[in-house]
Amino acid sequence: RKEVEQDPGPFNVPEGATVAFNCTYSNSASQSFFWYRQDCRKEPKLLMSVYSSGNEDGRFTAQLNRASQYISLLIRDSKLSDSATYLCVVNTYNDMRFGAGTRLTVKP
Amino acid sequence: SQTIHQWPATLVQPVGSPLSLECTVEGTSNPNLYWYRQAAGRGLQLLFYSVGIGQISSEVPQNLSASRPQDRQFILSSKKLLLSDSGFYLCAWNGGTTEAFFGQGTRLTVV
Repeated sequence: RKEVEQDPGPFNVPEGATVAFNCTYSNSASQSFFWYRQDCRKEPKLLMSVYSSGNEDGRFTAQLNRASQYISLLIRDSKLSDSATYLCVVNTYNDMRFGAGTRLTVKP
Repeated sequence: SQTIHQWPATLVQPVGSPLSLECTVEGTSNPNLYWYRQAAGRGLQLLFYSVGIGQISSEVPQNLSASRPQDRQFILSSKKLLLSDSGFYLCAWNGGTTEAFFGQGTRLTVV
């Protein structure tokens, strides 16, 4: 079983749609969680951290469920500029593992 | 502020040649350092990580090695490249359980 598993995608949605990504992790001792965005042929960049209480940044909402060992990312009112690959990241004692990424394409 | 430098940005190497990719971090001390590889259209595979000078953890058997000769320097090497070593190599650092910051990556093509 992979340490971090992520929705395979791809997701093709129209502008204005709401889209949700999920990610599960296997190590219950994992300490911190993040969502990254990666544009084509670029390095990943932090989108947001994920907290147990849930957190929101504009159109983006991240949730962590420690009991079920999954994290989620919700994007509301999708924009063309949201098109990218979204990667979930789980950090366990200095060991940072990435999900395989979910490709999102937002179409006019 | 902290910055991370990775070079070269692009590299084309023949099969059987050696490899050395370097990564340095500025503005922080005792960072955790990571090397990842990303094949085309795929996710990031953790290759090595280091929590201190001379401390290297290897994730998968492979044709590569890593070294950390100084606190803020992380080097990825190979004695003889294989075609399968082609990919996008990314260096990253973090402060333990904090978010990671990436270098701009090295696109390696082995021919």
